[in-house]
Amino acid sequence: GEDVEQSLFLSVREGDSSVINCTYTDSSSTYLYWYKQEPGAGLQLLTYIFSNMDMKQDQRLTVLLNKKDKHLSLRIADTQTGDSAIYFCAESPYSSASKIIFGSGTRLSIRP
Amino acid sequence: GAVVSQHPSWVICKSGTSVKIECRSLDFQATTMFWYRQFPKQSLMLMATSNEGSKATYEQGVEKDKFLINHASLTLSTLTVTSAHPEDSSFYICSVLAGGRTYEQYFGPGTRLTVT
Repeated sequence: GEDVEQSLFLSVREGDSSVINCTYTDSSSTYLYWYKQEPGAGLQLLTYIFSNMDMKQDQRLTVLLNKKDKHLSLRIADTQTGDSAIYFCAESPYSSASKIIFGSGTRLSIRP
Repeated sequence: GAVVSQHPSWVICKSGTSVKIECRSLDFQATTMFWYRQFPKQSLMLMATSNEGSKATYEQGVEKDKFLINHASLTLSTLTVTSAHPEDSSFYICSVLAGGRTYEQYFGPGTRLTVT
């Protein structure tokens, strides 16, 4: 079946790196995503990785994919107060090209 | 990417009444839109895929007679919650597929429905 799991909360000191982890069950996933949700705003796609990639870096964001363990992580370097949000891990199953399965979201809070 | 709006952003209705939520694609003509439901501290659950000019495709467990979807134009899809009950209270989010790839889905800001 299709299932995406992630921890609910993460607290990080400002300036440190944040690492948000996610596991998924569908080995046929084509794309894996990280979305950011802020109050009053729509989900924002932060980055995505194709299933045949191991790593993707985009400025302060680094995505690591361990396909063998079905583990995806998002690292945010030099975390800022503006990074406070809920981060959703998601996947697209091969069986349905346009469908996205979301995790429950990780609330990232930044402490001074 | 596509800009998506939803109206209203927040609605309170009485049990037994119906409420309509609009999803508009402001700068893109979308043949496909999606409707999601999000409970507090939970993930988004896909409810249905809305296709312009044809019937919506509902996910398993979603009552199509309760959640009526109309995608009458390339820029507007509506979700009507009929005979609403308190358990229908939730955050409803739409998205627009603005290309052939799933990462080209752009989300609206959501509508919070409270049924009293």
